[in-house]
Amino acid sequence: GQNIDQPTEMTATEGAIVQINCTYQTSGFNGLFWYQQHAGEAPTFLSYNVLDGLEEKGRFSSFLSRSKGYSYLLLKELQMKDSASYLCAALGTGANNLFFGTGTRLTVIP
Amino acid sequence: DTEVTQTPKHLVMGMTNKKSLKCEQHMGHRAMYWYKQKAKKPPELMFVYSYEKLSINESVPSRFSPECPNSSLLNLHLHALQPEDSALYLCASSQAGRVRYEQYFGPGTRLTVT
Repeated sequence: GQNIDQPTEMTATEGAIVQINCTYQTSGFNGLFWYQQHAGEAPTFLSYNVLDGLEEKGRFSSFLSRSKGYSYLLLKELQMKDSASYLCAALGTGANNLFFGTGTRLTVIP
Repeated sequence: DTEVTQTPKHLVMGMTNKKSLKCEQHMGHRAMYWYKQKAKKPPELMFVYSYEKLSINESVPSRFSPECPNSSLLNLHLHALQPEDSALYLCASSQAGRVRYEQYFGPGTRLTVT
């Protein structure tokens, strides 16, 4: 079966750093995605990790540990527009079989 | 062009109606998807088409009928829906058969069944 866990809600201050954790269990593993979704909008791609380690892309970084079934998304220099849901999604054995976590609703406060 | 378009943006239909949702992409992607998303929940995969053939059907009721007429278009035909089918329906596309499977999502169709 598939199981993806992430915190439901987080709050952080503008300009700060926040780390959103995700643990996963899937039948086979072909990579871990992070998507951002603003309320009422479609998810947009943030990052993809298939090898262990940290991938940095501007203010956003994503980390993967395959042996621990663990990933995190790190957001630096938070801005108000970063308030959104962040979805962790694992790609299983099927070539296109993407399983989403419930999402973490991040609220950035002044 | 990295856009996935969906029509209509909003749809209200009765339980006896027949309607269709449409999705289009011109990125040359050969995998296309339908997801259903309820409020404050993650997207749930419904169907996957790979090279215009249905490759995954996640036990979706037959009142939802997908169709992939060509590599750029994906339809979802709706018939005899229930109020609990009200949700945001998202279409996505990606490369097929490649290592990186980043999916591009359309803006969705917000469906209300009355």
